[in-house]
Amino acid sequence: DAKTTQPPSMDCAEGRAANLPCNHSTISGNEYVYWYRQIHSQGPQYIIHGLKNNETNEMASLIITEDRKSSTLILPHATLRDTAVYYCIVSPHNAGNMLTFGGGTRLMVKP
Amino acid sequence: DAGVIQSPRHEVTEMGQEVTLRCKPISGHNSLFWYRQTMMRGLELLIYFNNNVPIDDSGMPEDRFSAKMPNASFSTLKIQPSEPRDSAVYFCASSFGTGGADTIYFGEGSWLTVV
Repeated sequence: DAKTTQPPSMDCAEGRAANLPCNHSTISGNEYVYWYRQIHSQGPQYIIHGLKNNETNEMASLIITEDRKSSTLILPHATLRDTAVYYCIVSPHNAGNMLTFGGGTRLMVKP
Repeated sequence: DAGVIQSPRHEVTEMGQEVTLRCKPISGHNSLFWYRQTMMRGLELLIYFNNNVPIDDSGMPEDRFSAKMPNASFSTLKIQPSEPRDSAVYFCASSFGTGGADTIYFGEGSWLTVV
């Protein structure tokens, strides 16, 4: 019973924006949307999270729809080093935050 | 900050042997997680500790697996006896649980091969 749906793979040209979609139509009111990425042979790395407002940090922007049923992670200027598997996760607002990872989207940034 | 430190980074062992994986969480973090990653099953949460107490071990595959956290700065995941199907990358992660949206930091993983 996957809580999120992501495309299995995407390509993006180097220097262009990468827009990674995520569907979470059954999200609860107290659940946050998290994005992590995993570069080959490394541990997953936190990117960004949000509840209902759009968020931006030095790595990416997160756009959450008003009904919170979907979101988009935006890497504004993708580089070859952004090639990774990107995971969209929804998790409740409580201590511990046991994250359940789905299949993610394998983003390939091409020169 | 040194981040989450795992050892060994790579281990090859024979079926039936005991395997012990070690983790040092980030100082000050009070939650610790063990994950396993395989091609077939992806990233699976095995066990979660909060303040050194196991809170949820429903992901531990079977009795051959055990995990301990004797203090806030050290945890072990033990497999005894090991089997070829245990071959995977085992990640340890930690976070500071505030009751909010906590960021989880992962180690680099322990790559286990059981032959």
